[in-house]
Amino acid sequence: EAGVVQSPRYKIIEKKQPVAFWCNPISGHNTLYWYLQNLGQGPELLIRYENEEAVDDSQLPKDRFSAERLKGVDSTLKIQPAELGDSAVYLCASSQRTGEGYTFGSGTRLTVV
Amino acid sequence: AQTVTQSQPEMSVQEAETVTLSCTYDTSESDYYLFWYKQPPSRQMILVIRQEAYKQQNATENRFSVNFQKAAKSFSLKISDSQLGDAAMYFCAYRKTFYNQGGKLIFGQGTELSVKP
Repeated sequence: EAGVVQSPRYKIIEKKQPVAFWCNPISGHNTLYWYLQNLGQGPELLIRYENEEAVDDSQLPKDRFSAERLKGVDSTLKIQPAELGDSAVYLCASSQRTGEGYTFGSGTRLTVV
Repeated sequence: AQTVTQSQPEMSVQEAETVTLSCTYDTSESDYYLFWYKQPPSRQMILVIRQEAYKQQNATENRFSVNFQKAAKSFSLKISDSQLGDAAMYFCAYRKTFYNQGGKLIFGQGTELSVKP
C-alpha cells in the first residue's frame, strides 16, 4: 500500500511568487493534516481536515496561505505571495478519524530566495 | 494549552550502547497519547513507539522502550544496543484522545542523536 504522497519534494521560488504543494493521503483516511516544520524545530499544525471540512485552521496564516481538499481525498496547500520566512518543510499526514494509522509523507522543502 | 519540551538538543552514543532521550509535557487532561517519532534526513516522520496514558505499563518495541511517569509528566525513550541506523532527529509528541477532539500532534523541539561506530 502506498503511503502519503507529497509533491514536489523540493521547491525554490523567488519571494512574492505563488507556490502550491500537493498531498495524496492513504486510501480510506478521512483525516488529513498539513504541518509546518521550521529548521531545527518540531512540526506545527497548520490545518486539519475531516473529509472536505477544515475543522482546525487556527494556525493557518489566512492572509497568504490557503488550502483545499476537494472531494475529501487529495489536498493542496498554497502560499501567495511567498515571503523569505516561509522557507521550511511542509509535511502532510493522514489518519483514520480516530487518529489510528497516523502516517506522514516525506514533505516538501520550500526555499524562498 | 498543552506543551512538550525536549531539553537535550543533541545526544551521542557509542554503537551497541544504550542511550536515553528525555521529554516532559504539560497537560490538564487525564487521558491522552504520547509518541516518539524518528526523522531521518529523508524527512519522513517514522513512529518509533506510542504510549496510552491510561496504561501503567511502559511500552516496548524491540530495542526501544519508554519510561512513562504520569504524575511527573515525563516520557523518556531508551534505545538499547544502538545501531548506526538509529542516528536521526527524535521528536516527542502529544495527542489528545479521539473522544476529546484529538488529532493534532504537539511536538517537542527534537533531539539530534548521533551514533559513533
